[in-house]
Order: sequence, then C-alpha cells, then structure tokens
Amino acid sequence: KNQVEQSPQSLIILEGKNCTLQCNYTVSPFSNLRWYKQDTGRGPVSLTIMTFSENTKSNGRYTATLDADTKQSSLHITASQLSDSASYICVVSGYQGNLIFGKGTKLSVKP
Amino acid sequence: GAGVSQSPSNKVTEKGKDVELRCDPISGHTALYWYRQSLGQGLEFLIYFQGNSAPDKSGLPSDRFSAERTGGSVSTLTIQRTQQEDSAVYLCASSPRVGGYYEQYFGPGTRLTVT
Repeated sequence: KNQVEQSPQSLIILEGKNCTLQCNYTVSPFSNLRWYKQDTGRGPVSLTIMTFSENTKSNGRYTATLDADTKQSSLHITASQLSDSASYICVVSGYQGNLIFGKGTKLSVKP
Repeated sequence: GAGVSQSPSNKVTEKGKDVELRCDPISGHTALYWYRQSLGQGLEFLIYFQGNSAPDKSGLPSDRFSAERTGGSVSTLTIQRTQQEDSAVYLCASSPRVGGYYEQYFGPGTRLTVT
C-alpha cells in the first residue's frame, strides 16, 4: 500500500534554532517528492521538489534531502523564525501523477 | 497574477442539506484537483479534471459527492445530504496539466461544518 509517514507529529523549538523533519514513504513506482508548507487557514505552498536522482535541494533556509534507496526524506530548517510556524507536509508522487500526502508535522517556533 | 480562489471560505450547514463549494483555478491551468483535509489527517484526494477528459472520480467517498467543471475553468464540488463526518476543509488546486512533476497551486480552502 502506498503510504507516507511523517515524524514527529508536532515539534516546538525556540526561535533561531535548527530542526529536522522526517518523511518515510512506501510509494512505488516513485516519481518525485515534495515538501509543502501550510500556514493555518491557508492552502499548502510548495517548498521543494526532488526526483529520485536528486539527493538535496535548498530553498533559502529550507534544505530537503532524499535517499531513494531507503525511501526517506528530511526537511532541515536553519535559524528558525516565528514565521516558520506551520504544518509541513511531505507529498510523494507516482508516475501516473497520483499524489500521496503525509499527515504533516506541526511546527511551532517560540520567541 | 491571481492564484486559486475558493468560495465560500466558511460554510455551516445542517445535516441533510446540500452544499456547493466553488473553485476558480489559475487562468490557463488545465488540471484541477479537489482534496479534503479532516482535522489531524492528511489531505485526501477526491477528484481531478484534466482539460476535456473524463474526470478521475476515484477518490470520491460516496455517491453523495459530485463535481463538475464548466468550460474547463470554474469547478463546483457538490455534497448532497451532508453528514457530520463531511465536516472538513475542502481544498482545490490547479496545475498547468496533470502529472506528478507539475506543481499544484492550492486555494485557501473552504471550511465546512455540518451541525
């Protein structure tokens, strides 16, 4: 069964600290993996997208990694800001364009 | 340019009533998706449209749910005889076309509460 599991479910960190969010998937065949940021009351916004041949991709303070062999991805946030408080969703796509969504990690950045 | 818009932003309805949710995709995007996001759950795919092709309805949870897309642009998701378990945020997304690598741009969602 195609599944995407994210951990932790929620995370609280202090402003300025770094954090890493995890995503494990069992989607096969695999096309690409995206990380989305969803602010409260808003739709998700894409942060990064990686195909199986890409190991890392950065978008400002966000860096995503992908290990297609172990089917694991991580999203690292550097020097967190209050505005980083949101849910971060890992989404895996198969070749047919079907998207499998994780349940997300809820990040709270405290001053 | 304008992003994906949805209306209404919030809808409260009584159990058993029908509701219609509207989505205006980004101009020129041929693919349109509907998702449901229940509290504490991930996004659940409902249906997608690609151009004039027959829609993929494989995610609709029951025959009370239907959707149409007029003129390849605006889409309406209809829920008949609403139930309390239908309470969720309904998200619409559009994409230049169907395919896993094409980014989906999401609207702000419609929060549906069935009392």
